[in-house]
Amino acid sequence: AQSVTQLGSHVSVSEGALVLLRCNYSSSVPPYLFWYVQYPNQGLQLLLKYTTGATLVKGINGFEAEFKKSETSFHLTKPSAHMSDAAEYFCAVSDQHPGAGSYQLTFGKGTKLSVIP
Amino acid sequence: DTAVSQTPKYLVTQMGNDKSIKCEQNLGHDTMYWYKQDSKKFLKIMFSYNNKELIINETVPNRFSPKSPDKAHLNLHINSLELGDSAVYFCASSQELGLAGEETQYFGPGTRLLVL
Repeated sequence: AQSVTQLGSHVSVSEGALVLLRCNYSSSVPPYLFWYVQYPNQGLQLLLKYTTGATLVKGINGFEAEFKKSETSFHLTKPSAHMSDAAEYFCAVSDQHPGAGSYQLTFGKGTKLSVIP
Repeated sequence: DTAVSQTPKYLVTQMGNDKSIKCEQNLGHDTMYWYKQDSKKFLKIMFSYNNKELIINETVPNRFSPKSPDKAHLNLHINSLELGDSAVYFCASSQELGLAGEETQYFGPGTRLLVL
């Protein structure tokens, strides 16, 4: 089974500063990778995903992530943080379920992003 | 229009009770899921259904029984509730079974269950 590690359960940045949320995965095959965002008391919303092709993926709200196979990483960045970016961010890998023949998402433990005015 | 909806949003109940959570999606998706998010925000899949057929059944106590009356609905019934069942339960859906692994899952707003 694949696993996802998100470094830093809590990241604080100043408004206007660079946002960098780290995600590393373990996979023996090319992975499908996702970043989801969860605002307080809400469900998860897809920010972006990597399937194939260009390794730099652009998502909503100015976020982007780069797939680096050599580093098994898929870090999420945004050049300038906004107060509205404060939320919980989850990295996930699509993992084939043993025996079921279908895929499922395996999530990291999440990183809470705080934005300081 | 809400794409994936869940009811109720909050559920407070006593240990030993039986309760149900309902989920509906209007996206025309074939696959639906239940996830559990614990107090530390860790998300783990519980079940997935494709066209009313159970596909994934993780190591979940028998007290949890999903039911899919049609492909737009996936309900979760929990018998004999325990303190450890307190969590946020999310329903999600995706276009296909997930045979390729790249489909986006769309999540509902969650049901916050508190067992006293």
